[in-house]
Amino acid sequence: SYELTQPPSVSVSPGQTASITCSGGKLGDKYACWYQQKPGQSPVLVIYQDSERPSGIPERFSGSNSGNTATLTISGTQAMDEADYYCQAWDSSTVVFGGGTRLTVL
Amino acid sequence: QVQLQESGPGLVKPSGTLSLTCAVSGGSISSSNWWSWVRQPPGKGLEWIGEIYHSGSTNYNPSLKSRVTISVDKSKNQFSLKLSSVTAADTAVYYCATSTSSGHQARFDPWGQGTLVTVSS
Repeated sequence: SYELTQPPSVSVSPGQTASITCSGGKLGDKYACWYQQKPGQSPVLVIYQDSERPSGIPERFSGSNSGNTATLTISGTQAMDEADYYCQAWDSSTVVFGGGTRLTVL
Repeated sequence: QVQLQESGPGLVKPSGTLSLTCAVSGGSISSSNWWSWVRQPPGKGLEWIGEIYHSGSTNYNPSLKSRVTISVDKSKNQFSLKLSSVTAADTAVYYCATSTSSGHQARFDPWGQGTLVTVSS
């Protein structure tokens, strides 16, 4: 079965750029999405179709996808961005989620 | 804007059947959206369970397929999940969510608030 691999944790200083990766076989041939989940809350879509932002998502969130890796980039990271982030793709008629990355803003 | 609300028992006995319903408001379940269930065990990541279209067409996670049934009730504008032969490993927060498409363009927006289901005797 298809797997998406994320680093368990990423740390970033306020105002700096955070990058969270998601790896999977030929992931660049698929579309990747990203979700933000804060404690006790439902996930929120922050990036879809590799690099598109839903309305209401700040411009500091961006995405890319090439080769075997999709990347979520948060520019000028703010304390409010501290959360768990999950990537998602589709393979063989199945939705697959990555294991999640906890972003800590130090 | 579509809103989703899960409902159902918060406690299910081992070997029993978990049954949840997701009420759709602010839009029609007969639209072109797909309707999904996703779960999250306490402290763990997200797992997709399956999806349904208003026509009744479904896709299921192969790892759960033998135990899962997702159905749609157009008259009540809601869809439902049944998971049979549950064990403690099925304890999780269960979310319903919607996507404007299935397949490679699938993305879930919005999600329901989630409901915790505990499997215990």
